[in-house]
Amino acid sequence: ETGVTQSPTHLIKTRGQQVTLRCSSQSGHNTVSWYQQALGQGPQFIFQYYREEENGRGNFPPRFSGLQFPNYSSELNVNALELDDSALYLCASSSGLAGITDTQYFGPGTRLTVL
Amino acid sequence: AQKITQTQPGMFVQEKEAVTLDCTYDTSDQSYGLFWYKQPSSGEMIFLIYQGSYDEQNATEGRYSLNFQKARKSANLVISASQLGDSAMYFCAMKGTSGSRLTFGEGTQLTVNP
Repeated sequence: ETGVTQSPTHLIKTRGQQVTLRCSSQSGHNTVSWYQQALGQGPQFIFQYYREEENGRGNFPPRFSGLQFPNYSSELNVNALELDDSALYLCASSSGLAGITDTQYFGPGTRLTVL
Repeated sequence: AQKITQTQPGMFVQEKEAVTLDCTYDTSDQSYGLFWYKQPSSGEMIFLIYQGSYDEQNATEGRYSLNFQKARKSANLVISASQLGDSAMYFCAMKGTSGSRLTFGEGTQLTVNP
């Protein structure tokens, strides 16, 4: 069974640029969630995708957008990068929708640095 | 809305001893799930244990157990027989019935001393 994978592992961008982060979900999972983890803090929910549709969004501006593909992999796009976007971006996959027992399994993360 | 509070920024324990990491939560949902994750310095969030709000027994997974006290809204993680590899950041998280998002606490940095 293949776990959650993310690419790239590290990324350096400058303010105003755009970035795309990628995530492959665990085998058998159809739901992908994205989180932003600033240094020294807990992860913050960005949004979730279920069967290619956005299913819930956290308190993030519209310049954070995403996609989910038919194979359930996903992309997180961030436009007009700001210094505060520097963080670890975590992707998590799970097997169901809106169930309290549905455990989310995380990938290794992408560390984004904005200069 | 859900809120998780972890009041211990850092904890130290001797190898082979047990340690309890505290977690309190707040929610208006009747049904919810509580999760603990471990995050080593590499960054990956590793799932440890789950407790449902209606589960009558405390969850256990190997050396991990969850001390669930519903009336006190607490879900403390107990690690028995600590190992050097347990040194990491530990996060408590919850999920309510209003959505599938996980709400995390600020974490506790555990250091296991030899």
